This record gives sequence, C-alpha cells and structure tokens, in this order.
Amino acid sequence: EAGVAQSPRYKIIEKRQSVAFWCNPISGHATLYWYQQILGQGPKLLIQFQNNGVVDDSQLPKDRFSAERLKGVDSTLKIQPAKLEDSAVYLCASSRQGLGNSPLHFGNGTRLTVT
Amino acid sequence: EDKVVQSPLSLVVHEGDTVTLNCSYEVTNFRSLLWYKQEKKAPTFLFMLTSSGIEKKSGRLSSILDKKELFSILNITATQTGDSAVYLCAVINAGNNRKLIWGLGTSLAVNP
Repeated sequence: EAGVAQSPRYKIIEKRQSVAFWCNPISGHATLYWYQQILGQGPKLLIQFQNNGVVDDSQLPKDRFSAERLKGVDSTLKIQPAKLEDSAVYLCASSRQGLGNSPLHFGNGTRLTVT
Repeated sequence: EDKVVQSPLSLVVHEGDTVTLNCSYEVTNFRSLLWYKQEKKAPTFLFMLTSSGIEKKSGRLSSILDKKELFSILNITATQTGDSAVYLCAVINAGNNRKLIWGLGTSLAVNP
C-alpha cells in the first residue's frame, strides 16, 4: 500500500512569513497526526484528527499554528507568522484506528528552516 | 509525570555484533509500546507490543515487553551498516485521553 505522502520535503522561509504543509494519509486510515520533531528529540504531537474532527490539539500553539482536515482525508498544517524556534521537521502520521489500537505510520516529513 | 527512558543514548558496534536496546517507562495506565527506526527521515514502524512475555520477531530484529518490570528490549543480531539509525521507543497510555509518550532514542552506529 502507498505510504503517507507529505509535501514539500524542504522549506526555507524568513521569520514572520507564513508556510503550509500538506499531508495525504494511507488510504482508509481514520486517524491523522501532525508532529513536530526538533533535532535530538522525540516527536511532539501538535494535533490529532479522527476523521475530520480534532481529538487532541492541546500542544498546538494556536496563536500561530492551524490545521484542518476538511473532508476527513488530506490535511494541511499552517504556521503564520513563523518564528526561528519553529525550525524543525514536521511529520504527518496516520493510523487505521485510534491511538493504541493500531500503529502509526509516518510520512517522510517536511524540514522547515526559519531564518 | 509519564516518561519513557531509553538506554544507552548512543552505541557504536562492529558489523556482526549483537545489540540490545532498552526502554523503560513510567506511564499511568499502560496500553502498548512501540518501537521505531529513524534514519535521516521519518520513523519507520518496527513493533507494537501490548502483552508481556511474547516475543515479536522480524528478521534479525526482535523485541519483548515486561509489564511487571516496566521495560522492553529491542535486539538486533548480526548487525549490518544499514542498521545504523536512531531507535525510538514510545508508550501509549490507556483511557479516554490517550497520548504517545516518546523516549529520546538510542543512536546506533554500525561500523564495517
């Protein structure tokens, strides 16, 4: 089966600019996650969707980050305005069922550099 | 506070060696534990463990969970240079507010 698709692979922007990332999960996977991974650390959950509803966005910096999954399939994550500390790899993952019932499968990520 | 601790933080071995990576956890209401391999891209799923004492095996990799002593090990036999990566352990708590708690990973370097 095709894996989780993400784009772009790399993005370089200046601080205060905006950026958007796109994710297409594995077909049939109801749950979609966005993670932020800073070098040397484990992934940090930003938001979790179950179909098109938000399950957990407690660690999403809502003043600058937003995410949507309008039709329960693809998702976009936006940062506006970006800060230097947003430089990280943004990982999208999906699972067939909810957390704990089936493993997460990750996309290749988007490496964001904010200068 | 829930936490996952992996050891060692880094490891350097020669091809052909066998390695054992450790993951210990303190999590309220444990549900399952996952192992991932991360090279220069996204984590790749290896194993999901929910029951104690049942070994999961895939080729040269195997893993087992001990829910009494709250740890898991990941074994890699006859290591190859392609096994060089960061190995991440994550634990999922049970209940309505499930979360995935990640360790910092073990960085494995396999030299020829």
